[in-house]
Amino acid sequence: DGGITQSPKYLFRKEGQNVTLSCEQNLNHDAMYWYRQDPGQGLRLIYYSQIVNDFQKGDIAEGYSVSREKKESFPLTVTSAQKNPTAFYLCASLQGDTQYFGPGTRLTVL
Amino acid sequence: EDQVTQSPEALRLQEGESSSLNCSYTVSGLRGLFWYRQDPGKGPEFLFTLYSAGEEKEKERLKATLTKKESFLHITAPKPEDSATYLCAVQAGPGGSYIPTFGRGTSLIVHP
Repeated sequence: DGGITQSPKYLFRKEGQNVTLSCEQNLNHDAMYWYRQDPGQGLRLIYYSQIVNDFQKGDIAEGYSVSREKKESFPLTVTSAQKNPTAFYLCASLQGDTQYFGPGTRLTVL
Repeated sequence: EDQVTQSPEALRLQEGESSSLNCSYTVSGLRGLFWYRQDPGKGPEFLFTLYSAGEEKEKERLKATLTKKESFLHITAPKPEDSATYLCAVQAGPGGSYIPTFGRGTSLIVHP
């Protein structure tokens, strides 16, 4: 089946630790995105990539980093510099002009 | 700056009680308006794309409409399984990156 997968579904992190969230797609889409979702707020863009080996900062990139070494993969690293990382993280890819989303990863900082 | 405002924030309906969700937007040239459904703890599921004023799209009990300033998601005779958060997003154009602006969503609960 084609689609977007994110892993893990739940992730717990101690303060001061970096953690990497996985996003993989087998849809052959060029563009991929990372969003953060907090209760009562809209989706906020962290980073996006329109092509392999290229990516741009979104509205809230501070404390996050990404890589795009393969078309299928767009991992997100939440660094210790991110002050309030507890949130629901969503990865998306673009088909035509429509974004399709993965199932999400819930990150909790203990 | 593109803006999307969804109302109401929350809506409770009885099964079979039809209603509408609103998405008001300001954008410098609309490329597309998108509706998504999101269940708790899951990623948004694409529902509709609307491109021009007067356009309508339907799927089961849902019907989306578009004017130059807002979109409505009409829910006819809802069932409990329609309970979810409905997200609206707009994309400006022409040209530029495909970066939509999302509203905060409307949380719909349908009681049996």
